[in-house]
Amino acid sequence: NAGVTQTPKFQVLKTGQSMTLQCAQDMNHEYMSWYRQDPGMGLRLIHYSVGAGITDQGEVPNGYNVSRSTTEDFPLRLLSAAPSQTSVYFCASRGSTAGTDTQYFGPGTRLTVL
Amino acid sequence: AQSVTQLGSHVSVSEGALVLLRCNYSSSVPPYLFWYVQYPNQGLQLLLKYTTGATLVKGINGFEAEFKKSETSFHLTKPSAHMSDAAEYFCAVSEPSGYSTLTFGKGTMLLVSP
Repeated sequence: NAGVTQTPKFQVLKTGQSMTLQCAQDMNHEYMSWYRQDPGMGLRLIHYSVGAGITDQGEVPNGYNVSRSTTEDFPLRLLSAAPSQTSVYFCASRGSTAGTDTQYFGPGTRLTVL
Repeated sequence: AQSVTQLGSHVSVSEGALVLLRCNYSSSVPPYLFWYVQYPNQGLQLLLKYTTGATLVKGINGFEAEFKKSETSFHLTKPSAHMSDAAEYFCAVSEPSGYSTLTFGKGTMLLVSP
């Protein structure tokens, strides 16, 4: 199993550009989440999904869109990038049955917005 | 609403010394508790977790943590620090029912000197 994969690893954008951060998992997990990590702030939840076709907002959703058309994939879209979105982004997944409460994290995407 | 407080953004120890990283939480229901470790430029790796049962939990790399309900704490310890333990450590909390998002503390950077 590859676990949780994220692409790209690094990205530089100009203000106003759009892009999609890709996330995929091969563990057949129902639950997937996107977090951003900023120095001194820990990880903050952007959006999450409890299954294909179902998404919801987290703590810091503004400026981001998500969709979940398959169990495996959960892309994060930046509609119009802003310097405040410079961050490291992590995707995570976990199972939905009892005893599968551990979230597994991808390696992250480091995004810089100029 | 849940919250996590990690005391000390940086903790410095000498190699061989006791490691103690503090975590206090706030939750309206008995929580699930997690410690994750992040090595430089990597994703998060689960160290240990408490869900139910024994309150002293052992994890990987010689770490352990004790859930103390009366103190709303889940401090992480290791008897003897190793240089390879230098990393950032995150405490996180979630509710046990259904899908519950993880709420993270701001993290503690562990520095280990020879």
